[in-house]
Amino acid sequence: GEDVEQSLFLSVREGDSSVINCTYTDSSSTYLYWYKQEPGAGLQLLTYIFSNMDMKQDQRLTVLLNKKDKHLSLRIADTQTGDSAIYFCAESALRLIFGTGTRLQVFP
Amino acid sequence: SAVISQKPSRDICQRGTSLTIQCQVDSQVTMMFWYRQQPGQSLTLIATANQGSEATYESGFVIDKFPISRPNLTFSTLTVSNMSPEDSSIYLCSVEEGRVQGYEQYFGPGTRLTVT
Repeated sequence: GEDVEQSLFLSVREGDSSVINCTYTDSSSTYLYWYKQEPGAGLQLLTYIFSNMDMKQDQRLTVLLNKKDKHLSLRIADTQTGDSAIYFCAESALRLIFGTGTRLQVFP
Repeated sequence: SAVISQKPSRDICQRGTSLTIQCQVDSQVTMMFWYRQQPGQSLTLIATANQGSEATYESGFVIDKFPISRPNLTFSTLTVSNMSPEDSSIYLCSVEEGRVQGYEQYFGPGTRLTVT
């Protein structure tokens, strides 16, 4: 069945790069998404990538997709304390399937 | 992007009662979705609500427990019926918008429900 896995925690120093990883199982996924959830808030769509692409860059965000290995990553350059949140990856074939979420903690 | 509002933002309810959550979108959308996020967990799709047809429920969710209305292209309601403490969750409304570069799905702020 469909399954999306992420590591639970990531801790980085302010100014460093963060890399959040995600693996998925559904090879028919057409789009893969990254969402951000701050405490007590809803989900904010950060970026997404079409499955026939292998990279997408959007300001400080870089998405890498390895379709062969079904691996997706989100790199945040120059990580700031405001980036502290839970990050969810999601795959979409017929509907969105969310990963378990990675809690990013940024310390000064 | 679509702006989505939900009411109420939070509620504390007694077991056995029902709560109806409203979702309002500032533009007409075809696809609306309802998700549940249990404490410390990821999001699980409850159902897809399309205007003019019955909602489509995911495995593990039934209409008697989570009746949904979709009277028009900007509004939907989700009712959590006969609540138990296990229903304590955040309930999120979501809409899908098509773009040239792909499909974008946006979420409301959520309704935080506590059942005592």
